[in-house]
Amino acid sequence: DIQMTQSPSFLSATVGDRVTINCKASQNINKYLNWYQQKLGEAPKRLIYNTNSLQTGIPSRFSGSGSGTDYTLTISSLQPEDVATYFCLQHNSGYTFGAGTKLELK
Amino acid sequence: EVQLVESGGGLVQPGRSLKLSCLASGFTFSNYGMNWIRQAPGKGLEWVASISSSSSYIYYADTVKGRFTISRDNAKNTLYLQMTSLRSEDTALYYCARGYSGYYVMDAWGQGASVTVSS
Repeated sequence: DIQMTQSPSFLSATVGDRVTINCKASQNINKYLNWYQQKLGEAPKRLIYNTNSLQTGIPSRFSGSGSGTDYTLTISSLQPEDVATYFCLQHNSGYTFGAGTKLELK
Repeated sequence: EVQLVESGGGLVQPGRSLKLSCLASGFTFSNYGMNWIRQAPGKGLEWVASISSSSSYIYYADTVKGRFTISRDNAKNTLYLQMTSLRSEDTALYYCARGYSGYYVMDAWGQGASVTVSS
């Protein structure tokens, strides 16, 4: 089974900051990596699919990159509404989620 | 607007059964594979089961194989998860999510149904 190691677990940042969240797979996942945002009490929302494709309706400050085993979600300029938990999902072989990153405002 | 609404959660004793439902709207349900994912308190997300659009293909996580059954009724736009022989470790928030392959992998989620297994 593929394991996903997500970092950091917790992140505190200021409005306007560039924020990066990482996911590392235990083996090559061929860019089959999605990113999700979950706000308290809400359903998870897909932000990025297949490493770098932006979901329709998601602001362009969100972007994804990576290949092989290492993947990154970047928020180019943090906004107050971005406070949430973010998690990755690999779907190259089965489905495995990262443990999540809780993003808060400093 | 795509909507997925889970129901059927609750408190159940160990060893008993419970059936979750997920009512879909805003899209042609019969065209999409569907999934159940769960999140135990204080834990990460865990994929539970997937079913293809016509129910031809069904997959389970090892942790629930033989105890849980995923099914769907395309005429009712509803996904189901029949859970039997429940254990305390099955306590979780259960989400349904649309799509299990290609572009549509888990592209829309419900808000979840809470299941607590306790005596």
